[in-house]
Amino acid sequence: AQSVTQPDIHITVSEGASLELRCNYSYGATPYLFWYVQSPGQGLQLLLKYFSGDTLVQGIKGFEAEFKRSQSSFNLRKPSVHWSDAAEYFCAVGATSGTYKYIFGTGTRLKVLA
Amino acid sequence: DGGITQSPKYLFRKEGQNVTLSCEQNLNHDAMYWYRQDPGQGLRLIYYSQIVNDFQKGDIAEGYSVSREKKESFPLTVTSAQKNPTAFYLCASSGRGTGELFFGEGSRLTVL
Repeated sequence: AQSVTQPDIHITVSEGASLELRCNYSYGATPYLFWYVQSPGQGLQLLLKYFSGDTLVQGIKGFEAEFKRSQSSFNLRKPSVHWSDAAEYFCAVGATSGTYKYIFGTGTRLKVLA
Repeated sequence: DGGITQSPKYLFRKEGQNVTLSCEQNLNHDAMYWYRQDPGQGLRLIYYSQIVNDFQKGDIAEGYSVSREKKESFPLTVTSAQKNPTAFYLCASSGRGTGELFFGEGSRLTVL
């Protein structure tokens, strides 16, 4: 079955520390991969996406993610977290053709300590 | 600026009432979606539409209805048949070939 797993429900880091949010997926073929961020009571904003090519992708707000086919992972990283990064982060996969259905993980809520 | 507009942002409903959530986009996107978000459950697909006058059920369509009479608009009706309608509802759209979803700011529905 197709699925996306974000194993960490909550993560707390200190401001200035590095961050890695984990995402594993189960899919029949190489899907489109996305990371979105959501502030409380708001919609989701795209941070970055992977379709093909270079497995290390850069996004907005200093985020990057690495696609590892062998591990079916697409982990999100940031070298130095800012207090404004506190939010909920969602990993998602989408089909490369045909269906318009996307599958979202359950999210990781990030707390940043001053 | 192009984007997706959802209204109302907050809505209160008595049990047994139908309510309609509005979603309008000016991105010229073909596909539009409705998701429901509950704490700890991520986003679950209610309905999606790839073209005007056509839409498909998602994973949790029971108790909901939609229409797609115009490319720009994809309203969602939460009917009295929906057993637990209190949730945060997100509308999204995607363009041909881009893959990514663009989201509105959401509508929070509370049943009293």
